[in-house]
Amino acid sequence: DGGITQSPKYLFRKEGQNVTLSCEQNLNHDAMYWYRQDPGQGLRLIYYSQIVNDFQKGDIAEGYSVSREKKESFPLTVTSAQKNPTAFYLCASRREDQPQHFGDGTRLSIL
Amino acid sequence: QKEVEQNSGPLSVPEGAIASLNCTYSDRGSQSFFWYRQYSGKSPELIMFIYSNGDKEDGRFTAQLNKASQYVSLLIRDSQPSDSATYLCAVNPSNTGKLIFGQGTTLQVKP
Repeated sequence: DGGITQSPKYLFRKEGQNVTLSCEQNLNHDAMYWYRQDPGQGLRLIYYSQIVNDFQKGDIAEGYSVSREKKESFPLTVTSAQKNPTAFYLCASRREDQPQHFGDGTRLSIL
Repeated sequence: QKEVEQNSGPLSVPEGAIASLNCTYSDRGSQSFFWYRQYSGKSPELIMFIYSNGDKEDGRFTAQLNKASQYVSLLIRDSQPSDSATYLCAVNPSNTGKLIFGQGTTLQVKP
């Protein structure tokens, strides 16, 4: 089935640890996005990529890093520099001039 | 001033009534507007998008856009308990596909 797959569904991070969230899509979409959602809040953009090997910072990029080595994949690393990482992380993708669609999300918590 | 503003609610309507959800935005150059529905614990799901002034209807949903007033709304006719969710308004202020989200309005439809 075509879609956007995020894994894992739940993730726990220890102090000082980097963790990587996976986002894969088989929709042949060029653009991919990472958002963070805190309880009772809307989504805030972390990073986005419009083409392979290129990405831009969003509004809250500090403490995060990404790569876009393949069109299908846009992993997000939450580094130890991100002091408040507990949130619901959402990956989205879209075809040019079409709306964004989301994966099922990853919930990250601190141990 | 927030870039995209929504009343957080909750908005409570009886089953069968019309639910009216409102959103204002600050960037007058915004070109496209989206409504996402998010059930508790789930990822957002696109339900409507609108690019031009006026109304756009899809089943029980109608999106209304007034660029002069910087206002977009979502009407849900014949509301059902299954419509109970948080509705996120999102605005694309540029051509990158980046979305700015409001904090969402929680809708409760009571049987």
